[in-house]
Amino acid sequence: GQQVMQIPQYQHVQEGEDFTTYCNSSTTLSNIQWYKQRPGGHPVFLIQLVKSGEVKKQKRLTFQFGEAKKNSSLHITATQTTDVGTYFCSITGANNLFFGTGTRLTVIP
Amino acid sequence: EPEVTQTPSHQVTQMGQEVILRCVPISNHLYFYWYRQILGQKVEFLVSFYNNEISEKSEIFDDQFSVERPDGSNFTLKIRSTKLEDSAMYFCASSVGRGRNEKLFFGSGTQLSVL
Repeated sequence: GQQVMQIPQYQHVQEGEDFTTYCNSSTTLSNIQWYKQRPGGHPVFLIQLVKSGEVKKQKRLTFQFGEAKKNSSLHITATQTTDVGTYFCSITGANNLFFGTGTRLTVIP
Repeated sequence: EPEVTQTPSHQVTQMGQEVILRCVPISNHLYFYWYRQILGQKVEFLVSFYNNEISEKSEIFDDQFSVERPDGSNFTLKIRSTKLEDSAMYFCASSVGRGRNEKLFFGSGTQLSVL
């Protein structure tokens, strides 16, 4: 099946620092979705990117889709303790959704 | 906001026993999914279901697994003879439609522990 790799696997930041996670695919993607999973929680949809080079913002979160549609990034500006959790990129198939390996973010107050 | 509900939240079972995990998808959604997540690992696709049929299944979803929509609201995952390695969090999800622009709504999960 399709696979997407995310880096880093873990990231510890001081509150107020920025954070970025990267998602890479070996194949061209039609779109990419991002989900957040709080500790002990379930995945929650954040956003979908469709167009080459697309950039979307949600408050302190900035999502980018690469020009070649093979990679994507999520950047959080000035992290807060509420940002803790695992961020997954995911790719959609005709009948399913494949999750990336995830980046677990810890924010140190 | 409508949500996917799953019961039970925790299930403990003996190896070799059958378990049924239950889900109530969002009422106007037509596509249903099961995923599992072993502690600390990524969320893995098991199966998708539409119109009372399996649409797609992963290699994890072997003959020990089955899904059913026994009535108009419930969607169940059955594991016939549980193994130790089946211990994981099982998430049910649903979507309005299928395809590349659909977002999935996940339930809170059932933590299955096989002893």
